Amino acid sequence: EPEVTQTPSHQVTQMGQEVILRCVPISNHLYFYWYRQILGQKVEFLVSFYNNEISEKSEIFDDQFSVERPDGSNFTLKIRSTKLEDSAMYFCASILGISGPGELFFGEGSRLTVL
Amino acid sequence: GESVGLHLPTLSVQEGDNSIINCAYSNSASDYFIWYKQESGKGPQFIIDIRSNMDKRQGQRVTVLLNKTVKHLSLQIAATQPGDSAVYFCAESPTGNQFYFGTGTSLTVIP
Repeated sequence: EPEVTQTPSHQVTQMGQEVILRCVPISNHLYFYWYRQILGQKVEFLVSFYNNEISEKSEIFDDQFSVERPDGSNFTLKIRSTKLEDSAMYFCASILGISGPGELFFGEGSRLTVL
Repeated sequence: GESVGLHLPTLSVQEGDNSIINCAYSNSASDYFIWYKQESGKGPQFIIDIRSNMDKRQGQRVTVLLNKTVKHLSLQIAATQPGDSAVYFCAESPTGNQFYFGTGTSLTVIP
């Protein structure tokens, strides 16, 4: 079964450092997403990406964040100057996105710990 | 953003009993809904979906009911098993490409 893969599974960083979280969406999917989940809280939308550009972003997704699709397979989330409150699980997701709604497939997540 | 909420944050059931998890959504324009299961330390896993032109859909041991009049969604799990213990989220989609998640209900199955 196709799956969304994410690396690293866990990243520990010092406050103020930059981190890059990587995702490989399912190969024929067209829409990609990053979500964040702070421990014990709900899954929060960060950004969606389609046709090589951001299609929608939440108020959480400020100038500290950026996304990129550097090649035909990877989809990255960069967090600059990390803060303690950035500690969370970050989930990448993708959907096929053709002719109507469809299942949103999630990766296993990248746990970010900011010290 | 959208508001999707759950009535109960925790639910405990005896093994073998049926479970019902509820969800309220706020956007009457939402036309696609998904239930996800999330085990500790893992990503959300698709369980079942339903479109707004339906009021019931059944899968293997799971049934989703949609009441558009009161904007309510429920997930029924038949013969609940210990492996069903997890957090369950509902998600609504008004556009087909954007999804909004509820807080989640933690289901504990008592052996």
